[in-house]
Amino acid sequence: EAQVTQNPRYLITVTGKKLTVTCSQNMNHEYMSWYRQDPGLGLRQIYYSMNVEVTDKGDVPEGYKVSRKEKRNFPLILESPSPNQTSLYFCASSFGGGAEQFFGPGTRLTVL
Amino acid sequence: RKEVEQDPGPFNVPEGATVAFNCTYSNSASQSFFWYRQDCRKEPKLLMSVYSSGNEDGRFTAQLNRASQYISLLIRDSKLSDSATYLCVVNYDMRFGAGTRLTVKP
Repeated sequence: EAQVTQNPRYLITVTGKKLTVTCSQNMNHEYMSWYRQDPGLGLRQIYYSMNVEVTDKGDVPEGYKVSRKEKRNFPLILESPSPNQTSLYFCASSFGGGAEQFFGPGTRLTVL
Repeated sequence: RKEVEQDPGPFNVPEGATVAFNCTYSNSASQSFFWYRQDCRKEPKLLMSVYSSGNEDGRFTAQLNRASQYISLLIRDSKLSDSATYLCVVNYDMRFGAGTRLTVKP
């Protein structure tokens, strides 16, 4: 089954404790991206990747890191999480930047 | 001005009604346009792409107006199951609107 998976689905953590949210797709997509969704603000892009070893900042990259060492994986790293990073996070992938995106199920993160 | 703007709603309509949403964009060079549907904090899913000539999929019709820089989504004969948030997406770097919430009532 073609899909995008994210883990964990839910996470409660404390300020400053490094965490990684994994994202994996099995559709051989070149383009992957991370979004956060907050009430009233819609989906905002954090980082995106056009291909392996190619990543770029989206609209709200501060406080986040990503890597793309393999085509299928695109982890999101929060080195020192803060409460303003409490949000719903989605990973997405597509064949290209302007193509239909397939989303993972989301990760609900709470930073205390 | 935001790059992509949508009326957040909510739109509350009775079953069987016709409802239309607009989405305006600021980048006149935009080439790709989509409508996504999102149910209650679940992942967005593609509803339909928007083509220059307009396109229809069952009860849903999407239109593009390049001169006025907006796309629209028309839903005919609304069903209870159409209740969701509808997100428009514009351009190469996939900028999302904040979404329009639709509630269809019996």
